Amino acid sequence: GQNIDQPTEMTATEGAIVQINCTYQTSGFNGLFWYQQHAGEAPTFLSYNVLDGLEEKGRFSSFLSRSKGYSYLLLKELQMKDSASYLCAVRDRTDSWGKLQFGAGTQVVVTP
Amino acid sequence: DSGVTQTPKHLITATGQRVTLRCSPRSGDLSVYWYQQSLDQGLQFLIQYYNGEERAKGNILERFSAQQFPDLHSELNLSSLELGDSALYFCASSVGVAGPQETQYFGPGTRLLVL
Repeated sequence: GQNIDQPTEMTATEGAIVQINCTYQTSGFNGLFWYQQHAGEAPTFLSYNVLDGLEEKGRFSSFLSRSKGYSYLLLKELQMKDSASYLCAVRDRTDSWGKLQFGAGTQVVVTP
Repeated sequence: DSGVTQTPKHLITATGQRVTLRCSPRSGDLSVYWYQQSLDQGLQFLIQYYNGEERAKGNILERFSAQQFPDLHSELNLSSLELGDSALYFCASSVGVAGPQETQYFGPGTRLLVL
């Protein structure tokens, strides 16, 4: 199985940058996903990393280091609508190809 | 809109009752996943089906069961309901069993309240 750790909450100002860290332990890493979830709504897919390095998608970027069991999600030019929970999820090939283990989520609060 | 649909959106019932939650995956997706999300816990994986067959089980109680039908829609049955079963239940779908790049797309969820 996996242990996934991410901070509980982060606060940042509109227009700023926030970096959400995620550390994981898994015996058969097979991909890491980031999802955004507004309160009471469905998680929506943000990014996917399976190889080391940075993946950039507009204002959002995600980084992975497999040797360190570490990922981060970088949110740039923060907007009020970015206030949400950000979920880190890891896929482990030794358990099930499709099953994702989710972290508890990081609540990002964007202030004016 | 992810393309995954779930019904009903809200469900209020009493302890001891049984309910059925329904999910239709995105067009072309063969895999369906069920998750439970309660206030004090994160997103918990329950069960996965691929093309009608069960592929993986997570923290699913014996009182809960699911199936995927030939038209690929899925149902999650919750019986002998307890107060602690109150939660958001999400369905997600993906194209296959999952290759490394398989992304799961989530439906809007069913909010279950057990009184």
